[in-house]
Amino acid sequence: KAGVTQTPRYLIKTRGQQVTLSCSPISGHRSVSWYQQTPGQGLQFLFEYFSETQRNKGNFPGRFSGRQFSNSRSEMNVSTLELGDSALYLCASSPGQGSYGYTFGSGTRLTVV
Amino acid sequence: AQRVTQPEKLLSVFKGAPVELKCNYSYSGSPELFWYVQYSRQRLQLLLRHISRESIKGFTADLNKGETSFHLKKPFAQEEDSAMYYCALARTGANNLFFGTGTRLTVIP
Repeated sequence: KAGVTQTPRYLIKTRGQQVTLSCSPISGHRSVSWYQQTPGQGLQFLFEYFSETQRNKGNFPGRFSGRQFSNSRSEMNVSTLELGDSALYLCASSPGQGSYGYTFGSGTRLTVV
Repeated sequence: AQRVTQPEKLLSVFKGAPVELKCNYSYSGSPELFWYVQYSRQRLQLLLRHISRESIKGFTADLNKGETSFHLKKPFAQEEDSAMYYCALARTGANNLFFGTGTRLTVIP
């Protein structure tokens, strides 16, 4: 079956703009999480959605937001972009609660100039 | 608070030698622990999870609650094992992962 699909693969934005990233989970997976990966901070958890509800949120400013649709697809939005938001944004899906582990997408590489 | 520590950023071993990638954690509850691997130009993928007690690609990891460790081991390293390895923790009942900073393993032919 198809894996986790993230679009777009690459983005270049200027400071102050906003951006929306998209994630389609594995069919049947209801939990979607987002992570930010940078060389300096490593992999950091942004938020997790399950059945259209945000269940967990990491320690990121309010400029970072997300949502999940009824078909489990998820989007994350970053407003008022800063240079420090340049990162690889990873989406991961899992069937739901429990120690299944996550299946990750290839990520969206965001560059803020 | 929870924390995952991977003390080695880089680890080099010769092909055929044993390899151990260290992972220590701090968490007051009963954690769920995972090892993820990222090969060059590939996505992050689950290698193994402690609850299933499985062996994948010859790798094993045992949860030691007394030492709060979850070290990854393989008796004979192969060149194709060269990759970035991340240890991760999930809190009880939660689905988000806390990652260590990763160890880059290089297997020298």
